[in-house]
Amino acid sequence: QKEVEQNSGPLSVPEGAIASLNCTYSDRGSQSFFWYRQYSGKSPELIMFIYSNGDKEDGRFTAQLNKASQYVSLLIRDSQPSDSATYLCAVNTGKLIFGQGTTLQVKP
Amino acid sequence: GAGVSQSPSNKVTEKGKDVELRCDPISGHTALYWYRQSLGQGLEFLIYFQGNSAPDKSGLPSDRFSAERTGGSVSTLTIQRTQQEDSAVYLCASSLEGQGRSPLHFGNGTRLTVT
Repeated sequence: QKEVEQNSGPLSVPEGAIASLNCTYSDRGSQSFFWYRQYSGKSPELIMFIYSNGDKEDGRFTAQLNKASQYVSLLIRDSQPSDSATYLCAVNTGKLIFGQGTTLQVKP
Repeated sequence: GAGVSQSPSNKVTEKGKDVELRCDPISGHTALYWYRQSLGQGLEFLIYFQGNSAPDKSGLPSDRFSAERTGGSVSTLTIQRTQQEDSAVYLCASSLEGQGRSPLHFGNGTRLTVT
């Protein structure tokens, strides 16, 4: 089992819809979780991060943690074509390990 | 500069040659990571430096790969006797705190092509 797993997608949603991205992790002791966005040919950029003590909302983005089931989600409300990118989940296992990423396509 | 700086941005080398990739992290950041990203793939962890501690080398794919971080700042990733499967983008990232507690800031990467 990989330490961090994501569905590679692509996940396709219409403009204005909610996109839901999930990431599962194997280390029960993980305390911090990060979501990055990566456009083609570019480096990953941080969207948001949460610690094990709670969820977080930032504008159109919400990160949620389900510790019992060991997954973390990223919700993107009112999805825009500019949100089309690969979304990478990173989990703290003593170091940061990334999932394979989920490609999101937002169709106008 | 304010960000993580990597050089060169592109490197083309012949199979069997050695290459050195450089990373200059954000000043004051104690943690430094190297990742590898092959085309269409995720980020593969290579090595992690934290302060003066011994680096976590658990992700290095073979003994042809090595890295050092001098003075707690600049890091160099060396690949000896390069192979075609080494072709990828090598990303360096730094963070203020170690052990995955704070976000990573990425450089623009070095695109390595082995011919």
